Order: sequence, then structure tokens, then C-alpha cells
Amino acid sequence: DAGVTQSPTHLIKTRGQQVTLRCSPKSGHDTVSWYQQALGQGPQFIFQYYEEEERQRGNFPDRFSGHQFPNYSSELNVNALLLGDSALYLCASSFGFSGANVLTFGAGSRLTVL
Amino acid sequence: ELKVEQNPLFLSMQEGKNYTIYCNYSTTSDRLYWYRQDPGKSLESLFVLLSNGAVKQEGRLMASLDTKARLSTLHITAAVHDLSATYFCAVDMSTASKLTFGTGTRLQVTL
Repeated sequence: DAGVTQSPTHLIKTRGQQVTLRCSPKSGHDTVSWYQQALGQGPQFIFQYYEEEERQRGNFPDRFSGHQFPNYSSELNVNALLLGDSALYLCASSFGFSGANVLTFGAGSRLTVL
Repeated sequence: ELKVEQNPLFLSMQEGKNYTIYCNYSTTSDRLYWYRQDPGKSLESLFVLLSNGAVKQEGRLMASLDTKARLSTLHITAAVHDLSATYFCAVDMSTASKLTFGTGTRLQVTL
């Protein structure tokens, strides 16, 4: 039973570039959330997708956008990269969009912005 | 704005000893999660606490929740080296798993 898979695992970009990160949720899950984890910090909520719509959003600028596809997979896009965007980006999936759902996290995509 | 604070931030303890990690949060919530993260790895769910007075135990770890005090604790009994990791608590005030994480407690268990 595959868990949450993310790609790529590592990538390096330069300031001003754009990046797309991908996530396939755990089998049976239909809700995908994205978190940013800076070095030495706890993860911070970026946004959450359910039924192909953004349902909740954290305190992140519009440079961060996403998409969910009919097969529940998701993409995170970041435009006009800044040095401060360097972080581990974690995708988490769960089933349903209400109540106390335990999130299953992927291994993350580590983004370095030079 | 919800704030979640953990202490200590770093804990070095000897094998066989007991210790407690504390998680305080600023706004009433009855949904609290504990996660473990090994270096370079993802987050692993440990406990979900959903009501005041909830207590969960798994092996050498026991978590509890006091919603009135806005406090959760993660107690480690007779620590072993394999418990070395960073532990995060996370609070959910939304309707659907929008978690606010603490800064984490890095636990190092020495032989």
C-alpha cells in the first residue's frame, strides 16, 4: 500500500524562477494539504485541496498556488522564488473534509533557492 | 492567531530515564496531534487526542490533553536510543485538519 509520494525529492532553483512540486496521496485519500518546513522549524500550513478546490489557506502570498486533479493528486507551484522559500515542502493526505483526520505525510521535496 | 509552544526545544537524556515534553497552545481546541520526525525523514503520526482528559499510550510514550489548561504532555518512560528524534505537537482549530505545529522538541537519548 503506497503512502504519500512526492516528487522531486530535491531541487535547486535560482531567485525569480518558478517551481512545481507534485504529490500523489495515499490510496483511498481524497484530501491533500501542503506544508512548508524551514530548517529547524515546525511545518507551516500552506493550503488544502478537496474536490479539486482550494478549501483552506494559510498565511502565504499569492506566489504560492496549487491544483488538485480528478485522481486526487496535487501540485504546488511557487512563482518568483525568493531565498526565503528554501525549505522542505511536505504533502499530506487524508480522507474527507471534516472532523479529526490524521494526516499521512510524504517524505517531502527539499527546495534550495540560490 | 493560534500559537503553539513546546518546551524544551532540545532534550538530552540518558537511557532508562523518564522525562516530559510540554505543549502549550493559545486558543481553545480539543484536537491535538503528536508527530515524530527522524532526521531527513517525514512526519509520523504518534497520537491523536480529541477530548479533555484524553490519554493515549504506545510503548514508552504516553500523551495527555488538558483542554482547560490548553496543555498537552508527551511523557517518555525509560528512554531508549531508538526514541531519538524530533517530536512535534500540532493543534487543529479548523473544521478539517489545518494544523498549527509547535517548533518541535529535539530529543537525544544517550547510552
